[in-house]
Formats: sequence, structure tokens, C-alpha cells
Amino acid sequence: QKEVEQNSGPLSVPEGAIASLNCTYSDRGSQSFFWYRQYSGKSPELIMSIYSNGDKEDGRFTAQLNKASQYVSLLIRDSQPSDSATYLCAVKVGGGGNKLTFGTGTQLKVEL
Amino acid sequence: GAVVSQHPSWVICKSGTSVKIECRSLDFQATTMFWYRQFPKQSLMLMATSNEGSKATYEQGVEKDKFLINHASLTLSTLTVTSAHPEDSSFYICSASPGLAGGPSSYEQYFGPGTRLTVT
Repeated sequence: QKEVEQNSGPLSVPEGAIASLNCTYSDRGSQSFFWYRQYSGKSPELIMSIYSNGDKEDGRFTAQLNKASQYVSLLIRDSQPSDSATYLCAVKVGGGGNKLTFGTGTQLKVEL
Repeated sequence: GAVVSQHPSWVICKSGTSVKIECRSLDFQATTMFWYRQFPKQSLMLMATSNEGSKATYEQGVEKDKFLINHASLTLSTLTVTSAHPEDSSFYICSASPGLAGGPSSYEQYFGPGTRLTVT
């Protein structure tokens, strides 16, 4: 079982819809969770971080964390074509120093 | 805030030569810097973790004598690809972590724009 799992997609949503991206992790002791956006040919960009159970909203983005079920999700409201990218889930798992464990990413396509 | 730069953004070199890539945190001090590589349409692969003033910690399978990492200050880390070969051609990306006084936010990583290396 991979430490951080994401559906590779592509996930296609129409413009204006809500995109829901999911991530599960295996280490129950994980405390820090991050979402990165990576456009094709570019480096990842941190868009959300979440540390406590529940929802955290920032503009059109909402991160949701459920430690009991070991999943973290990212909702993008009013999806725009410019949101088309690969979204990486990253988790600070126990041990291993201070590095993050990344999922393989979910490709999101927002269609006109 | 939290800006990380990399130089060069792209480089072409001949097989057998060495290439140095610089990574700088511009507006914060980075207690830890990370080096990744990414092949087309593949996931990020962590190569090594470096802390200022310490030897880098390399991931399994990464040759430390081939990929030399120096973290000379809290704002600068360098990766030198020695005796580069065509199979080293890849997108190399650094990231930096402020590591502020512990706590869950200390693990945030900010990425540089990446360096595209082509070895001919």
C-alpha cells in the first residue's frame, strides 16, 4: 500500500462546476497535509495546507481533512479552465525527518 | 512571500561534463532544502534533503558522488551533477522549508521554478 494515494485521473469537470480531488494516506500519525498545483512543464505551487480535522477555506479552494478516515480532499468551486493542472497531495508522515510524501497527482481538466 | 529561485532555468551540456544548479530562498531563511527530479509525465522523485551546514541525506538509489549537494547558508543550496550523461536529462526542482519553530506548518515546502537539464 502506498503511503499517499491519489486517483491519477484525468478528472474532467465543466467550467463553473465543483471539482473534488481526493487523497488517502496510510500513516495515522500524520499531522500536516498540503495541496500543490502543478501546471504542465512547471514546478509545484503550494495552494493549501491543513492541519486539523474539518474544513479550511481560501477563496475558491476548500481543503477537508478527516484523520479518522485518513483522507484529505480539495474542493475547487466555480472551476475555471485555468484550474486545469495536476494536483499533488503531500503528507508529513511519521519519521523520515521533515520531508513530505507526495501522491502521484490527479490531473484535472476543466472544459469549456 | 516564500519565494524560491533557481538558476539556471535550463541548461544544455555535453556528456561527461558537470553542471551546477543553484537554489535560493529570497525572502526567508530555509533550514531545510530539498532536491527533486521529475521525468516527463511522471511523479516528483525526492533525491536528497539538505540542512544548512550538514551533509545531505540522499534517498535510496541516488548516487551521492554523482549528485553533489552543498547547503552553505540558510538561503543557498547547490546541486552539482557530475559527469553528466544523457540519462541524467530531467527537470530538477528544489524546494525550501522555513522550518519555523516546529509545529505542523514547519513542513511547508516552497518550490523553485525548476531547471531543465539536457545532456547531449
